[in-house]
Amino acid sequence: SQTIHQWPATLVQPVGSPLSLECTVEGTSNPNLYWYRQAAGRGLQLLFYSVGIGQISSEVPQNLSASRPQDRQFILSSKKLLLSDSGFYLCAWGRLAGVHGTQYFGPGTRLTVL
Amino acid sequence: RKEVEQDPGPFNVPEGATVAFNCTYSNSASQSFFWYRQDCRKEPKLLMSVYSSGNEDGRFTAQLNRASQYISLLIRDSKLSDSATYLCVVNRDDKIIFGKGTRLHILP
Repeated sequence: SQTIHQWPATLVQPVGSPLSLECTVEGTSNPNLYWYRQAAGRGLQLLFYSVGIGQISSEVPQNLSASRPQDRQFILSSKKLLLSDSGFYLCAWGRLAGVHGTQYFGPGTRLTVL
Repeated sequence: RKEVEQDPGPFNVPEGATVAFNCTYSNSASQSFFWYRQDCRKEPKLLMSVYSSGNEDGRFTAQLNRASQYISLLIRDSKLSDSATYLCVVNRDDKIIFGKGTRLHILP
């Protein structure tokens, strides 16, 4: 069966510090991978998605970036965090290559920027 | 107009009752539709896909009305454990849009 891991579970970072969140998927190959952010009281916002190694599509311009160095690894980064980057960050994977279908979410990282 | 809209609720419903909520979408090119549930401070979990002919999974029934551009979720014989936020998801080839969710509280 497939599983998706995210770490860390919670993170408190000062403004201006760097960020690296990691997501890995087990039990499947060549998945679509997604990063979402859910700010307090708001809906899920798609940040990035990837249909293959090294292929990243950005949905929202901001100070975040994503990379996919391996088939089942997806990393979200920032060089300098802003207060507005606080939120619940969710990684998800999907089965259908190139098509946005059913997605399965990891447990998320709750980020607080102070 | 937002691309996907849901009544935020909360819907406060006594245990055992039937509850239904809708989600409207604005783009007729939307191709696939889903309902997810999200418990407080947890990740969303897929509840069910929504098919054109309507589909049922136990106490849950999902319907799609393409002409009026809405999907619906019906929960029968509601349980305390059904308390959650229900998210509507609408996909196109190039876009995934989550609704902000409808909060449901099942009252004992």
